[in-house]
Amino acid sequence: DAMVIQNPRYQVTQFGKPVTLSCSQTLNHNVMYWYQQKSSQAPKLLFHYYDKDFNNEADTPDNFQSRRPNTSFCFLDIRSPGLGDAAMYLCATSRDRSGGGETQYFGPGTRLLVL
Amino acid sequence: AQSVTQPDIHITVSEGASLELRCNYSYGATPYLFWYVQSPGQGLQLLLKYFSGDTLVQGIKGFEAEFKRSQSSFNLRKPSVHWSDAAEYFCAVGHKAAGNKLTFGGGTRVLVKP
Repeated sequence: DAMVIQNPRYQVTQFGKPVTLSCSQTLNHNVMYWYQQKSSQAPKLLFHYYDKDFNNEADTPDNFQSRRPNTSFCFLDIRSPGLGDAAMYLCATSRDRSGGGETQYFGPGTRLLVL
Repeated sequence: AQSVTQPDIHITVSEGASLELRCNYSYGATPYLFWYVQSPGQGLQLLLKYFSGDTLVQGIKGFEAEFKRSQSSFNLRKPSVHWSDAAEYFCAVGHKAAGNKLTFGGGTRVLVKP
């Protein structure tokens, strides 16, 4: 029954060592989102894909990249993780993005620790 | 700019007591409003949402929320809290013209006393 799957659930990386987080979905949704959530804070949108169209938030650091090779999968690449990038990373999907009322379905998140 | 405020960072409630979580928003038009719940170490689960129509919205797990345009509020309520309701609750507004972007409030952490 899992709809939005994130792997791994916990990821430990070293300062400056590239890391990739994975998200997959079985909902066949057009839109996939990546959020960063630091401890005791609200999720913050990094970027989203509408089909193959990539949409970056203005304040997302260049250190964060994303790939969506097909409808089901989306990856978050952190090129050179810093200590400040330790956070929970949430993937979400929605059927569409028109009108602002589409429900977003969230995965369980990947907690990233940077040593 | 759109914003969402949850005035209460923490709320402690006894099991069986009622719960109300406050949410105020700032938005230029009729907003799309959501309440999500996040259990520790987990992703967000949708409790309910408001688009239009009846201002009292029923959700899952016995939650309801009321949209009050005059007060720019969308407060979440539950008549009788269970220990499993201990979690963090986020109110969010959906942007009509920004790719379905959600702006979240800061969250309210609910602790349930036995």
